[in-house]
Amino acid sequence: QIVLTQSPAIMSASPGEKVTLTCSASSSVSSSYLYWYQQKPGSSPKLWIYSTSNLASGVPARFSGSGSGTSYSLTISSMEAEDAASYFCHQWSSYPFTFGSGTKLEIK
Amino acid sequence: QAYLQQSGAELVRSGASVKMSCKASGYTFTSYNMHWVKQTPGQGLEWIGYIYPGNGGTNYNQKFKGKATLTADTSSSTAYMQISSLTSEDSAVYFCARSSLGFDYWGQGTTLTVSS
Repeated sequence: QIVLTQSPAIMSASPGEKVTLTCSASSSVSSSYLYWYQQKPGSSPKLWIYSTSNLASGVPARFSGSGSGTSYSLTISSMEAEDAASYFCHQWSSYPFTFGSGTKLEIK
Repeated sequence: QAYLQQSGAELVRSGASVKMSCKASGYTFTSYNMHWVKQTPGQGLEWIGYIYPGNGGTNYNQKFKGKATLTADTSSSTAYMQISSLTSEDSAVYFCARSSLGFDYWGQGTTLTVSS
């Protein structure tokens, strides 16, 4: 199965700071099938980015996604308090579908 | 607007089985795959499998074959997951999620606690 490794596991950022989260795959993932989810404590995950770089409905434009092959990233151009959450990458490129272990993003 | 309503928390004895539900509304139930995902603090998010309610077809993560069974009732737009031979390893939050471009709608989760 494809293992997705996210880094860092935990990070904190100040308001206004640029943030980059990474997701490394053990085998190549089709960029069409790489997704990111945001999850806040006590809530279900929410689709955040689909097909590597497309923002889901309602996601602020300060978020962006990029990558190809085995290396993907999610970037926040200017951190806001509401962005504090866990972020998970997810691949459908091959079975079984897998998730990364997540990055917990905190606000300083 | 799609909505997935999951059944309530379960406290079940080790060795028993449990069946949880996910009632869909706001979209054509038979047109989308319904996935189930397990979340634990230690293992993170794990994909269990999906069912296509349109024809009842299923696809399981090999890890969960024989452990989880997915079914769907099109008359009530409800997906079900039965987990058998419960152990402490099955204690988790279980989500149902519809797939379109990604898992675009999720249920609120069902917390399963397995007691010895």
